[in-house]
Amino acid sequence: DIQMTQSPSTLSASVGDRVTITCRASQSIYSWLAWYQQKPGKAPKLLMYKASSLESGVPSRFSGSGSGTEFTLTISSLQPDDFATYYCQQYNGYPITFGLGTRLEIK
Amino acid sequence: QVQLVQSGAEAKKPGASVKVSCKATGNTFTGDYMHWVRQAPGQGLEWMGWINPNSGGTKYAQKFQGRVTMTRDTSISTVYMELSRLRSDDTAFYYCARSTVSPLFWFDPWGQGTLVNVSS
Repeated sequence: DIQMTQSPSTLSASVGDRVTITCRASQSIYSWLAWYQQKPGKAPKLLMYKASSLESGVPSRFSGSGSGTEFTLTISSLQPDDFATYYCQQYNGYPITFGLGTRLEIK
Repeated sequence: QVQLVQSGAEAKKPGASVKVSCKATGNTFTGDYMHWVRQAPGQGLEWMGWINPNSGGTKYAQKFQGRVTMTRDTSISTVYMELSRLRSDDTAFYYCARSTVSPLFWFDPWGQGTLVNVSS
C-alpha cells in the first residue's frame, strides 16, 4: 500500500498568515494527488486535484504543488473560514489512501 | 450539479449487518464510479471500495473483502454498501463519494455521511 504522511499533524496560525501543509508518499504517485478540507460534522470537500489544479469555486488563496513523492498545499492568507482539517489522497493505485490529516487551528 | 444523499444513522449490535444507501440527484450515473469511505470518530479517512453503477462492477479494499458488498439500483439512482459481521471498531461515519471517468480519480461530491454505531 502507498503510505501518505502529512505534516504537521496540527498547525496553529492566525488570520492573514501564509501556511503550508506537506504530504509525502511512500512511492512515486506522479501527480495523482488530491487535497480535501473537512470541517467538524461535515463531509470532506475537494480543494485540489492532480496536485496543482484548483477545483472550481475554491478561492485562489489555495494552491498546490509537487510531484513524485512530495507535495504541498499552501494557503496564502488565512481566512476565518479556513480553520479546518486538511487531508491529502493518492489515487495512483489501489488501495486509494489518505494522509492522517492536518488540523489547522486558530492561534 | 450532482448531489449525494445518504440514509440515516444506524445502531447495530456486534455480529449484525448494516446497509447504507446513497442516492444521486441532479444527474445520472453515466460514466461515474461510486466509492465508499469511512471515518471513525476523530480519525482519518479509509477507502473501502467502489461500484460502477452502470455495469455493477466492483472493487473492494482487501481489508474489507468478504465483509462488504456494494450494489446498485439504477432505476432510483441509488447505490448501497452492506457491511456484515459488524464489530465495535466498525463504528464510523460512512461516506459515499463520486469519481468520474476513472475509479482512480479524485472524489467529488461526497454524501453527507451516515453514522453507524456498533455497540452491544
